[in-house]
Amino acid sequence: SQQGEEDPQALSIQEGENATMNCSYKTSINNLQWYRQNSGRGLVHLILIRSNEREKHSGRLRVTLDTSKKSSSLLITASRAADTASYFCALGKIQGAQKLVFGQGTRLTINP
Amino acid sequence: DTAVSQTPKYLVTQMGNDKSIKCEQNLGHDTMYWYKQDSKKFLKIMFSYNNKELIINETVPNRFSPKSPDKAHLNLHINSLELGDSAVYFCASSTMAGGVKETQYFGPGTRLLVL
Repeated sequence: SQQGEEDPQALSIQEGENATMNCSYKTSINNLQWYRQNSGRGLVHLILIRSNEREKHSGRLRVTLDTSKKSSSLLITASRAADTASYFCALGKIQGAQKLVFGQGTRLTINP
Repeated sequence: DTAVSQTPKYLVTQMGNDKSIKCEQNLGHDTMYWYKQDSKKFLKIMFSYNNKELIINETVPNRFSPKSPDKAHLNLHINSLELGDSAVYFCASSTMAGGVKETQYFGPGTRLLVL
């Protein structure tokens, strides 16, 4: 399979707790991206990490990438109810254009 | 608003019909994409155009024909609709000017239901 595989498929936590989602893959990549999708809406880009990077931060988001293990994790700290959404990892491969291969997502529910 | 927009938002039609979905972006991007998201939320790329030229063409039935009249528009025409075409179709855009830029910006989706 060329797509990313996300774990867990669903995650439910209390507001204020940290949420960690993982993505594993099997192919070579140029970058790995995380997107969020609220129910019934389009995807919103969250963060991108290139294959030569190991960690990136953006606000309450922290992404790690281990190319030797072909895995990435997305950490959301101090979760809020508004973080409830599906989170997708996308494998970025540059073949002329940027081709994104998406995983099936992790459904995150933040309970108030 | 600067954005990627799609019309229609919802499309309910009978099997065998032909339908079109339109996409427009006013972000000044030169590359546009069509993705299909099935009922299991699996999102898969279908096509990509750069400056009106087809650059990515995944294994998609030839009943699906993309058309890009200019770099701000990418339309998707579907002939002889089948039940399995029911899905959410997302348009996205990005830019390749000055080198490949990795971030893609997505439209709100078109929910297609074939009866």
